[in-house]
Amino acid sequence: SYVLTQPPSVSVAPGQTATITCGGNNLGTQSVHWYQQKPGQAPLLVVFDDSARPSGIPERFSGSNSGHTATLTVSRVEVGDEADYYCHVWDSSSDHQVFGTGTRVTVL
Amino acid sequence: QVQLEQSGAEVRKPGASVNISCKTSGFGFSDHYMHWVRQAPGQGLEWMGLIHPKSGDTNTAQKFQGRVTMTRATSVNTIYMEMSSLTSDDTAMYFCARDFYGDYSAAFAIWGHGTMVAVSS
Repeated sequence: SYVLTQPPSVSVAPGQTATITCGGNNLGTQSVHWYQQKPGQAPLLVVFDDSARPSGIPERFSGSNSGHTATLTVSRVEVGDEADYYCHVWDSSSDHQVFGTGTRVTVL
Repeated sequence: QVQLEQSGAEVRKPGASVNISCKTSGFGFSDHYMHWVRQAPGQGLEWMGLIHPKSGDTNTAQKFQGRVTMTRATSVNTIYMEMSSLTSDDTAMYFCARDFYGDYSAAFAIWGHGTMVAVSS
């Protein structure tokens, strides 16, 4: 089955940039989506189709995808960005949806 | 507005079954794939399967095939997920989610608040 690998944790100071990676075989050929999940809440879509932002999501959230790695970048990090982040794709070979292992972002 | 209202928390004994509902509103029930995702305590997100409300077609993750049944009731714009032969490993928060634009590869744009299922003897 298709595997999406994320770093378990990323630490960043307020005002700096957080970079969260998602690795998978030929991931660049697929559409990658990203979710933010805060404790006790449902996930929130922050980036879809590699780099598009849903309405209401700040421009500070951006995404890219190439080769075997997709990246979610959070610029000018705020304390409120502290959360778990998950990448997600539809694996066409298995016809199943796949989530990444998740990354906890800590704002120092 | 677009909403997914899930049924309340459940407690079951090992070997039992559970049926969770997800009532939709604010959008065309037949226009979007609906997914089920679960999250064990302290763990990541795990996709369980999907149903297309218009056709009733389902696609279940291999791990859950034979144990999970997804259905829908178009008269009340509601989807259901039944899981049988529960074990303690099934203790988790269960979410329903709606896709963004009615495509298999689309992101999950709308999420329910989750239904906690606890399995304990």
